[in-house]
Amino acid sequence: DGGITQSPKYLFRKEGQNVTLSCEQNLNHDAMYWYRQDPGQGLRLIYYSQIVNDFQKGDIAEGYSVSREKKESFPLTVTSAQKNPTAFYLCASTPTGQGQETQYFGPGTRLLVL
Amino acid sequence: GNSVTQMEGPVTLSEEAFLTINCTYTATGYPSLFWYVQYPGEGLQLLLKATKADDKGSNKGFEATYRKETTSFHLEKGSVQVSDSAVYFCDGGSQGNLIFGKGTKLSVKP
Repeated sequence: DGGITQSPKYLFRKEGQNVTLSCEQNLNHDAMYWYRQDPGQGLRLIYYSQIVNDFQKGDIAEGYSVSREKKESFPLTVTSAQKNPTAFYLCASTPTGQGQETQYFGPGTRLLVL
Repeated sequence: GNSVTQMEGPVTLSEEAFLTINCTYTATGYPSLFWYVQYPGEGLQLLLKATKADDKGSNKGFEATYRKETTSFHLEKGSVQVSDSAVYFCDGGSQGNLIFGKGTKLSVKP
């Protein structure tokens, strides 16, 4: 079945550590996105990528990094520079990102800093 | 379960026209409600939100009021601009549980 997978479902990090969240899609979508969701805050865009080997910063990119070496993969690294990393992280994709396209979301990863 | 029904597009308006995009929700309890905007080639951006009944969210001239009696959260703007051309999404989920509408594409002509 086609879809988006994120792993792990839960992730614990010690302060000062970098961690990488995985996002894989087999929908053959060009565009992929990373969002952060905090309680009562709605989604906030971290990074997005319209095409392989290209990505742009979103509203809250500081303390995060991404790569897009393959069309189906868009991993997000939460670095030690991110001051408040505890949140729910959602990956999404769309066919091209240029028109009226429903965002396909992964199941999310909940990150907790210990 | 929770669900959101959003007005289907596309919507085409002339500049300075009045905009309404309808959104109604079905939920147990009273979820927080959000409107997102997606400009071409970009990701979703939070436009406004309301966390309880009778709250009014507003941003960039857009407004939406959380109406418990009609379970609605309609998006309105008094005078649209060409730069408002985008896709608008209504969301009625809570953390870890997204309940997105299908999106309404707005095109504003000069």
